[in-house]
Amino acid sequence: EIVMTQSPGTLSLSPGERGTLSCRASQSVSSNYLAWYQQKLGQAPRLLIYGASSRATGIPDRFSGSGSGTDFTLTISRLEPEDFAVYYCQQYGRSPFTFGQGTKLEIK
Amino acid sequence: QVQLQESGPGLVRPSETLSLTCTVSGFSIFSSYWSWIRQPAGKRLEWIGRSYPSGSTDYNPSLKSRVTMSVDTSKKQFSLKLSSVTAADTAVYYCARLNSGGYSWFDPWGQGTLVTVSS
Repeated sequence: EIVMTQSPGTLSLSPGERGTLSCRASQSVSSNYLAWYQQKLGQAPRLLIYGASSRATGIPDRFSGSGSGTDFTLTISRLEPEDFAVYYCQQYGRSPFTFGQGTKLEIK
Repeated sequence: QVQLQESGPGLVRPSETLSLTCTVSGFSIFSSYWSWIRQPAGKRLEWIGRSYPSGSTDYNPSLKSRVTMSVDTSKKQFSLKLSSVTAADTAVYYCARLNSGGYSWFDPWGQGTLVTVSS
């Protein structure tokens, strides 16, 4: 299976700053089948990005995804208070579909 | 608007079978693959498997020997059965739709249901 590794484990930033979250796959992700999700405490994950760079419906344009092959990035251009949460990447190019361990974005 | 809602027992005895159902509203159950995903407390999300109304299924090899999924189109529901459960199966279980074919992102998700395995 493809192992997804996210870094850093915890990112401490202030509102208004730029956040950069990384995701690395143990093998190339076919067709850039890579998604990002946001999860707040006690809630289900919410889709942010699919296809490595396409924003889901209703997602603000301060969220952007990039990357290909084995290295992917989620960027939040200007952090809003509601953006502090846990973020997961997930590959869906090969079964079994797998998730990263998550990056916790916390207020500094 | 597609909505998913999990239902089932919140407590299951060790060695017994965990059974959950997800009810679909706002969307045709015929048109998509449907998945189960779980999340033990403080751990990463784990994909359990997917099912299609035709009966086609695909399971995570780590759970394959214990998992059965199916779709009931008449009830607009899909289900998960996990046999021989242990404490390691304690988790929040989510149902989700694969948005675009069998190899796709998950959207939307149900709210999740906590299942505890304990005697």
